[in-house]
Amino acid sequence: AQSVSQHNHHVILSEAASLELGCNYSYGGTVNLFWYVQYPGQHLQLLLKYFSGDPLVKGIKGFEAEFIKSKFSFNLRKPSVQWSDTAEYFCAAIFNTDKLIFGTGTRLQVFP
Amino acid sequence: SAVISQKPSRDICQRGTSLTIQCQVDSQVTMMFWYRQQPGQSLTLIATANQGSEATYESGFVIDKFPISRPNLTFSTLTVSNMSPEDSSIYLCSVGGTKGTGNTIYFGEGSWLTVV
Repeated sequence: AQSVSQHNHHVILSEAASLELGCNYSYGGTVNLFWYVQYPGQHLQLLLKYFSGDPLVKGIKGFEAEFIKSKFSFNLRKPSVQWSDTAEYFCAAIFNTDKLIFGTGTRLQVFP
Repeated sequence: SAVISQKPSRDICQRGTSLTIQCQVDSQVTMMFWYRQQPGQSLTLIATANQGSEATYESGFVIDKFPISRPNLTFSTLTVSNMSPEDSSIYLCSVGGTKGTGNTIYFGEGSWLTVV
């Protein structure tokens, strides 16, 4: 079945630490990949997306993600996190339909 | 990007009642979807709202509980029927797909429902 998995359920970091959140998907065909962020008490916002081309995608707020087809992965990275990055991060994918399928989310807490 | 407005943004509802959530988009879009986000959980797709025809429901969701309308390309409604406390969730309208918004799915701000 087509699915998206995020293995890191809860990540705790200090400010200035580097971040990498894992995302894997199960599907052998063409896939569109997304990372969304949900700050406490706020609505979902798009961080970045990958459709095709350069597998290293840069998004807003200094985030980037790398699509590695051979590993079915689309990990999110940020070289130096800030307290304001505390949020829930969702990886999502569109497979062979127009439906967006979400991973379970990763809660990131950044301490000053 | 598409601007999506949802009403109500928040509501407290009595058990056994029904509530209709409205979703208005500022441009015509091909695809409209309804998601649910239960407390502390990820987003689950309820259904695809089809313009001029019955919505397509995901496994575990039925039309009697979540009737959906989509009379045109910019508007849709989701009704949560005969509510119970388990229906307390954020309900989100989203638009996009392979046409209209370039493969990107955009979300409204959500409707936060609490059932008491």
